[in-house]
Amino acid sequence: AQKITQTQPGMFVQEKEAVTLDCTYDTSDPSYGLFWYKQPSSGEMIFLIYQGSYDQQNATEGRYSLNFQKARKSANLVISASQLGDSAMYFCAMREGGDDMRFGAGTRLTVKP
Amino acid sequence: ETGVTQTPRHLVMGMTNKKSLKCEQHLGHNAMYWYKQSAKKPLELMFVYNFKEQTENNSVPSRFSPECPNSSHLFLHLHTLQPEDSALYLCASSQDRTKTDTQYFGPGTRLTVL
Repeated sequence: AQKITQTQPGMFVQEKEAVTLDCTYDTSDPSYGLFWYKQPSSGEMIFLIYQGSYDQQNATEGRYSLNFQKARKSANLVISASQLGDSAMYFCAMREGGDDMRFGAGTRLTVKP
Repeated sequence: ETGVTQTPRHLVMGMTNKKSLKCEQHLGHNAMYWYKQSAKKPLELMFVYNFKEQTENNSVPSRFSPECPNSSHLFLHLHTLQPEDSALYLCASSQDRTKTDTQYFGPGTRLTVL
């Protein structure tokens, strides 16, 4: 069964605007970790942000923030003030129990000048 | 050198060749991973090593053979590959294998099998 769902294959955003990339997940484990990665065309997966299931506050890292809605099992990534360099694939991932990290299919973000 | 490095960055090989991919992490981590990323497919976990011991082999064909001589180095030996094995191969490491441990990735090796 699909554990991580990213419903947006592609997204466009105007430079300097904010954009939200969606991610929903499926788990019955009360304790888990959620991660977002960025993959530019060069191929490297760059870690962006982490949210623990018991964290009381939404995670933030610079222009990245995570809109964590536990009851809805969603962990959307918000990128503020988009830059041309933000154009890339973005992957949501989850780690639960003794399992290793599971990744979603990704969203390709294109920032338009 | 910092982070996770992978060599070579690009590799073209015939089906009868034998080659190896190398990964090195400079983060002092205990766990290392090999992933395969094919076009239009989610990232696939291939192998996991924790403290140099292999802990996962996700039904990977025997033409892929991993080796972990120490906690900092990970190899993927390739032989008699098929064209469908063409993909981006990513190495990653994490401090341990708990839920909170972030995986840090190398730049990948883009493999083409002719």
